[in-house]
Amino acid sequence: DAGVTQSPTHLIKTRGQQVTLRCSPISGHKSVSWYQQVLGQGPQFIFQYYEKEERGRGNFPDRFSARQFPNYSSELNVNALLLGDSALYLCASSLVPANSGNTIYFGEGSWLTVV
Amino acid sequence: GDSVTQMEGPVTLSEEAFLTINCTYTATGYPSLFWYVQYPGEGLQLLLKATKADDKGSNKGFEATYRKETTSFHLEKGSVQVSDSAVYFCALSDLVKTSYDKVIFGPGTSLSVIP
Repeated sequence: DAGVTQSPTHLIKTRGQQVTLRCSPISGHKSVSWYQQVLGQGPQFIFQYYEKEERGRGNFPDRFSARQFPNYSSELNVNALLLGDSALYLCASSLVPANSGNTIYFGEGSWLTVV
Repeated sequence: GDSVTQMEGPVTLSEEAFLTINCTYTATGYPSLFWYVQYPGEGLQLLLKATKADDKGSNKGFEATYRKETTSFHLEKGSVQVSDSAVYFCALSDLVKTSYDKVIFGPGTSLSVIP
């Protein structure tokens, strides 16, 4: 079975532009989360979506938004890009949220460079 | 808020050496604890987990015990191999406090194993 798939794998944007990153969860998984990993640091939680609704949000500005589609795939949008948005963006999927028996599976990420 | 602290790297060991990576956490609730591993150029993989005090998680020769009295979850392996070279992240999630899968990661510890 395919794991969590993300696209694109690498991209370069200019300050002020907007970017859209895509994620397909593992088949059967209904929950998708997004994390930002700045080089040399641990991932930081951005938000989680379940059944197309935002279930939780980390400490990120409103420039960051996402949505989940009926097939449970998800898009992360970042507007008005700043140099500090340069990072690896990780998508994670799980069967349902907030279940201690869950295993959260991560994709390989999308590397975003803002110049 | 909840947080995770882990020993700074990089850690360099010879093959077959004993590995310990220290991890301590701060949490007001009863979190689940995890170790994730990130191999070069890859996404995060769950290595092991423990959901309550005194639980021992184990996988691929790695072990960690949930110690509530010392708020620790140290990762150990008796004999490391070159293939264990990666970045290791200690992490927690508190599903009682939140209704979603927010995983809080430590900064990561880079391990290099030399032949």
